[in-house]
Amino acid sequence: SQQGEEDPQALSIQEGENATMNCSYKTSINNLQWYRQNSGRGLVHLILIRSNEREKHSGRLRVTLDTSKKSSSLLITASRAADTASYFCATDATGTYKYIFGTGTRLKVLA
Amino acid sequence: EAQVTQNPRYLITVTGKKLTVTCSQNMNHEYMSWYRQDPGLGLRQIYYSMNVEVTDKGDVPEGYKVSRKEKRNFPLILESPSPNQTSLYFCASQPNPDSSGFQPQHFGDGTRLSIL
Repeated sequence: SQQGEEDPQALSIQEGENATMNCSYKTSINNLQWYRQNSGRGLVHLILIRSNEREKHSGRLRVTLDTSKKSSSLLITASRAADTASYFCATDATGTYKYIFGTGTRLKVLA
Repeated sequence: EAQVTQNPRYLITVTGKKLTVTCSQNMNHEYMSWYRQDPGLGLRQIYYSMNVEVTDKGDVPEGYKVSRKEKRNFPLILESPSPNQTSLYFCASQPNPDSSGFQPQHFGDGTRLSIL
């Protein structure tokens, strides 16, 4: 399987704390994206980072990408109860139009 | 409103009874895709389509068929469903991934299939 992996599988933090989740993948990529999923609903796109970028910010989100290690991290700062969801990374491998998703991190933010 | 619509949302059926899950998007997107989501495995891509009459296999295509006769529709067909196809299915669409200004996928709300 080419499936990516994420860790931790689950994360529980207090409101106001930062949450960091990591993603590893196996092939050369064009882009890496992070998505959020609320309780079995459809995924919502959060942020994209291209293979030639190392860091990107969007509001309370910070994404890093290390192509030499084939890994990425998503940092959510000053978390809120509403951030409770599952988070997935997704890559599109170079030369293909296939998407590979990670196994996801379940984040629970306690009020 | 821009959306990806899947039907049905829920279906319980029996082994061997052919079924079709429909997917329609109103954003004129070229790229459409089907995924299944299983606990602990995340999303796995079943099939994708770059445009009308162009389809290709994802990571887990066995037991599924698709067609892309119109740009807006991308049905998923299970000719002879089996219990191991019990899963949560998502359809997604996006503009041509090759176009400048990459845009992400839009997902439907999912179809929960139970095959007994």
